[in-house]
Amino acid sequence: QVHLQESGPGVVRPSETLSLTCAVSGYSISSPYYWGWVRQPPGKGLEWIGSIHHSGSIYYNPSLKSRVTISIDPSKSQFSLRLTSVTAADTAVYFCARDHLPVASFDAWGQGTLLAVSS
Amino acid sequence: QSVLTQPPSASGTPGQRVTMSCSGSSSNIGYNIVNWYQQLPGTAPKLLIYSNDERASGVADRFSGSKSGTSASLAISGLQSEDEADYYCAAWDDSLNGPVFGGGTKLTVL
Repeated sequence: QVHLQESGPGVVRPSETLSLTCAVSGYSISSPYYWGWVRQPPGKGLEWIGSIHHSGSIYYNPSLKSRVTISIDPSKSQFSLRLTSVTAADTAVYFCARDHLPVASFDAWGQGTLLAVSS
Repeated sequence: QSVLTQPPSASGTPGQRVTMSCSGSSSNIGYNIVNWYQQLPGTAPKLLIYSNDERASGVADRFSGSKSGTSASLAISGLQSEDEADYYCAAWDDSLNGPVFGGGTKLTVL
């Protein structure tokens, strides 16, 4: 059974770069599926950030594309998110998930990690 | 402002049938499948319904989905207290070239 686990710093200062990693176990990250990031600001709804395939194919949310980089390391069975120039608006719970792109179907999720942007 | 529109709240009493809507456009729901997610308080979302009307593994048959034109609906029959959660619809958007979510409907079981 697939298991995803996010890890990150918890707090990032404004204007700095956010880096999160998602470790995948119980399933090959080199499968036909994509692997994605979704965030949820406190008390708000879900926002897709982007998704990556082990082949290197990547899709980004256009609203975040200029600040986002998603990468994948099959040898470590993990994928990562990098978000530059963060502001308070980037404070959210960040989830990683298995993505059946292109049908908006995320069938396995990590527990989520809260990232607060604060000085 | 979410691309897909959902009513912010819904409610029902135990045993009742509740429906919630999700409205989109031709760039998303109109030509793509709809999925529904259930998010219990403090937890990650869980895929509930995929491909408009297919229940995900382990989901009770009290949950059902449907789609017509640019709108979709989620129905819950025999409402139970443990159904109290936030429900989100999602669909691929051809203009965005990515998935979009509704703003979510908070279901309260009275």
